[in-house]
Amino acid sequence: GIQVEQSPPDLILQEGANSTLRCNFSDSVNNLQWFHQNPWGQLINLFYIPSGTKQNGRLSATTVATERYSLLYISSSQTTDSGVYFCAVAPSGGGADGLTFGKGTHLIIQP
Amino acid sequence: NAGVTQTPKFRVLKTGQSMTLLCAQDMNHEYMYWYRQDPGMGLRLIHYSVGEGTTAKGEVPDGYNVSRLKKQNFLLGLESAAPSQTSVYFCASRRDRVYEQYFGPGTRLTVT
Repeated sequence: GIQVEQSPPDLILQEGANSTLRCNFSDSVNNLQWFHQNPWGQLINLFYIPSGTKQNGRLSATTVATERYSLLYISSSQTTDSGVYFCAVAPSGGGADGLTFGKGTHLIIQP
Repeated sequence: NAGVTQTPKFRVLKTGQSMTLLCAQDMNHEYMYWYRQDPGMGLRLIHYSVGEGTTAKGEVPDGYNVSRLKKQNFLLGLESAAPSQTSVYFCASRRDRVYEQYFGPGTRLTVT
């Protein structure tokens, strides 16, 4: 099946810093989603981005489908950005496949 | 719209007991999914459904059964719970030919 690798696995930053999270995947996809899981376990959908670039406030994401990677940018980090960020993909082919998740990047924003 | 809801939010079972988790969506989505999340890991697919009356196995289906009697509901059953099924269970749904999935808030299950 499709493989998903996220880096870095852990990241500790000071409030106000910027960060870039990376997601590499092993095959062509028709779905790529970025999620934020907060410390209470809630899974928050950040972006649906199988290709191209999107922005939402301080967050933006870019997927280069031809090179099989996606980047999530967080600018001016706040303590509420802490948690685990997951990248999840579904392979192309038009099937009903569920998402394959990476192991996540654990982000800690210190005040 | 409530989106995707899950019942219950928390549950503690003893080994060998049975239970059913309910997922409901009010978006008229055709596809529904059940995932489990173990500590320190991403989610893994248990079962999914492409429409009312259909179900299929995912990556980790053993020990679970599912049913989709109504389009808006997807049930996950544990017939004889085991400690290895202690996990957080997430349900998701999506529209046909639109691949973005919408997730519920999760059910935290502990089997002692």
